[in-house]
Amino acid sequence: AQSVAQPEDQVNVAEGNPLTVKCTYSVSGNPYLFWYVQYPNRGLQFLLKYITGDNLVKGSYGFEAEFNKSQTSFHLKKPSALVSDSALYFCAVRDGNSGYSTLTFGKGTMLLVSP
Amino acid sequence: NAGVTQTPKFQVLKTGQSMTLQCAQDMNHEYMSWYRQDPGMGLRLIHYSVGAGITDQGEVPNGYNVSRSTTEDFPLRLLSAAPSQTSVYFCASIGASGGRDTQYFGPGTRLTVL
Repeated sequence: AQSVAQPEDQVNVAEGNPLTVKCTYSVSGNPYLFWYVQYPNRGLQFLLKYITGDNLVKGSYGFEAEFNKSQTSFHLKKPSALVSDSALYFCAVRDGNSGYSTLTFGKGTMLLVSP
Repeated sequence: NAGVTQTPKFQVLKTGQSMTLQCAQDMNHEYMSWYRQDPGMGLRLIHYSVGAGITDQGEVPNGYNVSRSTTEDFPLRLLSAAPSQTSVYFCASIGASGGRDTQYFGPGTRLTVL
């Protein structure tokens, strides 16, 4: 079975400061990892993904994520937060050895960026 | 392209009523899925389909039916609504054209069962 843990329900950061949203995963095969963002009353939007290659993945809106195989983590980061980054962030994983296997999502982390 | 569309956006049902949530995509994607989102629980997979005529159950399938007669459409049916099905429902699709691992989500349907 595959699973995702987002240990923080909420992350608070001041605008201009760096932000980190944490994610750890468990999967039996090769991990395919994703971050999605959800703005209020909207569907989820894709931010970035790790399939293979460089451990540092760059995505939309200046976000990046670092894959750490030994720690089974895929933390989302941004060097300088914006108020407009305030949203609900989801980490997701699937087993890359299983074809079109389903994504498993974490419970989400609410990011609040204060002016 | 409209992407993934869902109707209705909001719905209120009484316990025991039935209804169908519509989902359509115009990207010729093979894989489609239905999730429900509940506070503090993230997204949970209800049903999914890997192509027309092929469907399978996800994590929380009870009380829901699906069918996939065309590539474009993937409706979700609630046979006899219960208050526990009050949730926000999202449809998503994946296809080779968008990168096989990127899910495209619809805007959601907010369902309340009284």
